Amino acid sequence: NAGVTQTPKFQVLKTGQSMTLQCAQDMNHNSMYWYRQDPGMGLRLIYYSASEGTTDKGEVPNGYNVSRLNKREFSLRLESAAPSQTSVYFCASSEALPGFPNEKLFFGSGTQLSVL
Amino acid sequence: GNSVTQMEGPVTLSEEAFLTINCTYTATGYPSLFWYVQYPGEGLQLLLKATKADDKGSNKGFEATYRKETTSFHLEKGSVQVSDSAVYFCALSKAAGNKLTFGGGTRVLVKP
Repeated sequence: NAGVTQTPKFQVLKTGQSMTLQCAQDMNHNSMYWYRQDPGMGLRLIYYSASEGTTDKGEVPNGYNVSRLNKREFSLRLESAAPSQTSVYFCASSEALPGFPNEKLFFGSGTQLSVL
Repeated sequence: GNSVTQMEGPVTLSEEAFLTINCTYTATGYPSLFWYVQYPGEGLQLLLKATKADDKGSNKGFEATYRKETTSFHLEKGSVQVSDSAVYFCALSKAAGNKLTFGGGTRVLVKP
């Protein structure tokens, strides 16, 4: 029962470095999401992919890029990390189809990223 | 745009106390409403949901009723346990969209 798997669990970067957060789901879900979690601000959507081959911006996309590699995998890339990107990042997936209500998200266990 | 507002924490309770976490929302139309729970060191898990007005979602002793007239979805539990210590998030999803909008989260600490 792997569900949603994120790697790495922890990462420390220096300002200006780049990295990619990996996410994979084994539930054959159509939709995948990247959120960031900051104290007092809840979860904010960075990017999402409603189906394989499509990606869209969420609330806070600046400084990030994403790739929906296939139906299983959805990666998040920081091209030039900044201290403001210090956060906990969560990947999630859902069986929701575009245009239909989203009934349930399944979350990974998160990546704690610190940018110094 | 859509938004969810929930009471700030932390909420500290003794075991067997009554828990209420307030949640109100702003959205056009008839969104679906959710409560997610995040235990320490884990991702969020769906706790309960309601998809139309007056629906009551329930799970693990928690309940929440979708109140269209007050745009609220307050979470309640009659007798909390130490294991209920977690962060609770209220969220909504529009009927024709598949993105969830989350509130800021409320940390609950239950002491023995």
